[in-house]
Amino acid sequence: QVHLVQSGTEVKKPGASVKVSCKTSGYIFTDYYIHWFRQAPGQGLEWMGWINPNSGDTNSAQDFQGWVTMTGDTSISTAYMALSRLRSDDTAVYYCAREQTLGAAFDIWGQGTMVTVSS
Amino acid sequence: QSALTQPASVSGSPGQSITISCTGTSSDIGTYNLVSWYQQHPGKAPILIISEGGKRPSGVSNRFSGSKSGNTASLTISGLQAEDEADYYCCSYAGSTTYVLFGGGTKLTVL
Repeated sequence: QVHLVQSGTEVKKPGASVKVSCKTSGYIFTDYYIHWFRQAPGQGLEWMGWINPNSGDTNSAQDFQGWVTMTGDTSISTAYMALSRLRSDDTAVYYCAREQTLGAAFDIWGQGTMVTVSS
Repeated sequence: QSALTQPASVSGSPGQSITISCTGTSSDIGTYNLVSWYQQHPGKAPILIISEGGKRPSGVSNRFSGSKSGNTASLTISGLQAEDEADYYCCSYAGSTTYVLFGGGTKLTVL
């Protein structure tokens, strides 16, 4: 069975960085893109970017370019998302999700990681 | 690019059918047949219920159906059940740079 399991809750101060992990299992890690999303409290979903675990290529949304870093470790089938220079409005639940092949649809999601940015 | 437009809320009684609209532009929904829909219960991760405009993943009830006309996609839920009460999000491919856009979400209340 396919699973994406994310790292736990984080509390950070403004200006700090955070790194969230997304451990995959039940499928071949390099066969599917992993995407990252976030959802601020009471708000909708926002796409942040993707990583191709096979090549390491990434693409991020314009709003996140320059301060989000997505990486992957094929030896442990795990993707990572790091966000720097955190601000209070980065407080959100961050999700990783697997993209279906050639469909721009996300069929398996991690459970989410709550990141709180507060002084 | 702006987010897709969904109604903030819809409601229906058990057994009834409801439709949630999702309006985009000719740069997203109007050009690509790659609209997906997600169900999200409070405190839970989204679940894919419709992909590529109208395909249901394995395990998703056939009470859920999707369609598209022009720049607007729609999700129809027939035979409403209490468990359908959740937030629903539409999502459309919007090109290689923007990649995907989401709607603001629609809260479904089963009366």
